[in-house]
Amino acid sequence: NAGVMQNPRHLVRRRGQEARLRCSPMKGHSHVYWYRQLPEEGLKFMVYLQKENIIDESGMPKERFSAEFPKEGPSILRIQQVVRGDSAAYFCASSPSGKTYEQYFGPGTRLTVT
Amino acid sequence: GENVEQHPSTLSVQEGDSAVIKCTYSDSASNYFPWYKQELGKRPQLIIDIRSNVGEKKDQRIAVTLNKTAKHFSLHITETQPEDSAVYFCAASRESGGSYIPTFGRGTSLIVHP
Repeated sequence: NAGVMQNPRHLVRRRGQEARLRCSPMKGHSHVYWYRQLPEEGLKFMVYLQKENIIDESGMPKERFSAEFPKEGPSILRIQQVVRGDSAAYFCASSPSGKTYEQYFGPGTRLTVT
Repeated sequence: GENVEQHPSTLSVQEGDSAVIKCTYSDSASNYFPWYKQELGKRPQLIIDIRSNVGEKKDQRIAVTLNKTAKHFSLHITETQPEDSAVYFCAASRESGGSYIPTFGRGTSLIVHP
């Protein structure tokens, strides 16, 4: 049973470009969460999704950031017109319906904006 | 919103000693408190958790205590080993849309000297 998968593991973008981060939850998990981790800081919740629905986006910046979890395929976190302050590690996690409190994290995508 | 304070930020102990990490939270609606261990460059991993209807929980060398009245909870590691060296994050979670959304502390870097 593969764990949570994220790709790419490392992503370099120039200011103004778009970044697309992908997350495949564990098999059987239908709840996906995205977090951002700045250097030497804790994880900050961004968004919680179920298939085709955004459930809680209280941690998402109002502009440039969006997320989706389509019926088929991975969840996508999209950052438009990246700025240097977007450089961080982005983790996704997934949980099963029966135990939504148990979140299993992916290896993260390290985004560097130059 | 929820605010989680975690102390200390760095903890250095000798192998075999005990380590204690403390967290406080502000939102009385938080009712699930997980602890994560993150090794350098790795994903966060859930090591133990506690719910608000329980005061203490133990799993081998790790224990957590929760004082809901005072809004603080602690992680205790006994007989520390070098492989316990990592960053530990506490979190206070609120319910949202059928799941739990955590607010994390800033982390404690635990160093266990052999």
